[in-house]
Amino acid sequence: KAGVTQTPRYLIKTRGQQVTLSCSPISGHRSVSWYQQTPGQGLQFLFEYFSETQRNKGNFPGRFSGRQFSNSRSEMNVSTLELGDSALYLCASSLGADRSIYGYTFGSGTRLTVV
Amino acid sequence: AQSVSQHNHHVILSEAASLELGCNYSYGGTVNLFWYVQYPGQHLQLLLKYFSGDPLVKGIKGFEAEFIKSKFSFNLRKPSVQWSDTAEYFCAVSPSGGSYIPTFGRGTSLIVHP
Repeated sequence: KAGVTQTPRYLIKTRGQQVTLSCSPISGHRSVSWYQQTPGQGLQFLFEYFSETQRNKGNFPGRFSGRQFSNSRSEMNVSTLELGDSALYLCASSLGADRSIYGYTFGSGTRLTVV
Repeated sequence: AQSVSQHNHHVILSEAASLELGCNYSYGGTVNLFWYVQYPGQHLQLLLKYFSGDPLVKGIKGFEAEFIKSKFSFNLRKPSVQWSDTAEYFCAVSPSGGSYIPTFGRGTSLIVHP
């Protein structure tokens, strides 16, 4: 079966712009989580959606937002980009509501560079 | 909130050497534990997980990990590494229950010389 698909793979944006990243989870997975990965901070949790509802939110400013559609696909949006937003953004899907048992399946990520 | 500590940030080994990567967590309740691996240029993938039963867990590619509850540890081991094990390894801890967010360690970069 197809894995978690993230588009685009690479993005270069200018400070102040906004960006939308997309994630298609594995078929049947209803939980989608987003992480920011940087060399210095590791994986930082952004938010999680389950059945179109935001179930958890990490400690990121309001410029970071997301949503999930009825087909479980998810998007995250970052407005007013800052240089510090440059990172690899990972989407992870999980089977069922209890992701603590199933674990995550990760996508390859979107590499965002802000210049 | 839980926290995860991976003590070894960078490990360099020769092929056939034994590997042990440390992972300690802080959380007072029941937890589920994971090791993920990220090979160069590839996505993060689940290596193994523990959520109940035998504390010695076997994963893919000959890796295993042992959950020692009294030490709050979940160390990853492999008796004989290969060059293809070169990757970044992440330990993750999640309190039991679906609404809890897993916390990841900062990762250990493993380089295996042929």
